[in-house]
Amino acid sequence: AQSVAQPEDQVNVAEGNPLTVKCTYSVSGNPYLFWYVQYPNRGLQFLLKYITGDNLVKGSYGFEAEFNKSQTSFHLKKPSALVSDSALYFCAVRPPLRGDYKLSFGAGTTVTVRA
Amino acid sequence: GAVVSQHPSWVICKSGTSVKIECRSLDFQATTMFWYRQFPKQSLMLMATSNEGSKATYEQGVEKDKFLINHASLTLSTLTVTSAHPEDSSFYICSARDKRGGTSGSTDTQYFGPGTRLTVL
Repeated sequence: AQSVAQPEDQVNVAEGNPLTVKCTYSVSGNPYLFWYVQYPNRGLQFLLKYITGDNLVKGSYGFEAEFNKSQTSFHLKKPSALVSDSALYFCAVRPPLRGDYKLSFGAGTTVTVRA
Repeated sequence: GAVVSQHPSWVICKSGTSVKIECRSLDFQATTMFWYRQFPKQSLMLMATSNEGSKATYEQGVEKDKFLINHASLTLSTLTVTSAHPEDSSFYICSARDKRGGTSGSTDTQYFGPGTRLTVL
């Protein structure tokens, strides 16, 4: 079975400071990992994904994530946070099995960036 | 690219009525769509997987007779909440699997609709 853990319910940072949202996963084989962001009363927006290749993945809005196989982590990072980055962030994983496209989501991390 | 729409964005209905929610992939074909339910400040709960031209696959604990799913075309899936009750009030989100960009479909990504807020009185 696959699962994702986001150990922090909330992350608070000041604008301009680095932002990190943590995610660890559990899946058989090499994982497909995703980050999504959700603004209030909206659907999820795709930020980035890791399938294979470079461990550092760059995505939308200046976000990036680093895949660390030994630590089974896929932390989301942004060097300089903006107030507009305040939202709910979800990490998701799916197994690399052809035909199995179900995503398992973490519980979500609420990011608040203060001006 | 990869835009998914949902209609309506919100709906209020009386208990006992049925409500249909549409999910459309606007600029790509989606052989697979997913329906999720989300409670306030919680994660997404997968309800069912909708496959074009075949029956939906429901997750354990989801009543298939209550949540009817139809995936009639490569760009449209519908979720009908039958005989809705107040406990069905929730935020319903669909996603569509875009398999473009990969030679074997292994690099596909799910793109999500904006969600539908259902309130049953």
